[in-house]
Amino acid sequence: GQQVMQIPQYQHVQEGEDFTTYCNSSTTLSNIQWYKQRPGGHPVFLIQLVKSGEVKKQKRLTFQFGEAKKNSSLHITATQTTDVGTYFCAVIASNTGKLIFGQGTTLQVKP
Amino acid sequence: EAQVTQNPRYLITVTGKKLTVTCSQNMNHEYMSWYRQDPGLGLRQIYYSMNVEVTDKGDVPEGYKVSRKEKRNFPLILESPSPNQTSLYFCASKSASYGYTFGSGTRLTVV
Repeated sequence: GQQVMQIPQYQHVQEGEDFTTYCNSSTTLSNIQWYKQRPGGHPVFLIQLVKSGEVKKQKRLTFQFGEAKKNSSLHITATQTTDVGTYFCAVIASNTGKLIFGQGTTLQVKP
Repeated sequence: EAQVTQNPRYLITVTGKKLTVTCSQNMNHEYMSWYRQDPGLGLRQIYYSMNVEVTDKGDVPEGYKVSRKEKRNFPLILESPSPNQTSLYFCASKSASYGYTFGSGTRLTVV
């Protein structure tokens, strides 16, 4: 079935440094979504990308969808302690609507 | 406020004692789903429902049942819980054009 691989699994950064997580698939994706889960919390939808080469920004967060629609990235500029959490990429299976998650990248930010 | 409400938030039970985790959404979403989250295994789908009276198995359905008698509710039933069902459970619903909205989670411990 469809799978998405996400790297790195963990990332520790100093506050103010940038952070990037990557999501890759061996097959072409129709869409990709990104979620954030704070420690002890639930996944919260951030954004959906559907077009080849699409780039979307939310304040310090930049989301990209690759030209071939097989990879995506989330980049955070100048991290803050409020960015701590696990970031998941996910794809929706078109036939079932099932959300297939990547393994997630857990971000720790040292103040 | 648009939300998915799960109850209870925490539950400790004994092996074999039937339990139900309730899930309700107020967004008139057709699609609802249950996930479990385990360290190292990520988020895995248990069951999903594409509409009233339409349910189907996800990746890890063994030991669980669901029902969808009305659009807003999607309870998760454990007929005879076992310790390997100790986990963090999330209910989620989805609109056609937006991401998933997750409930706050139910942390279940089976002893």
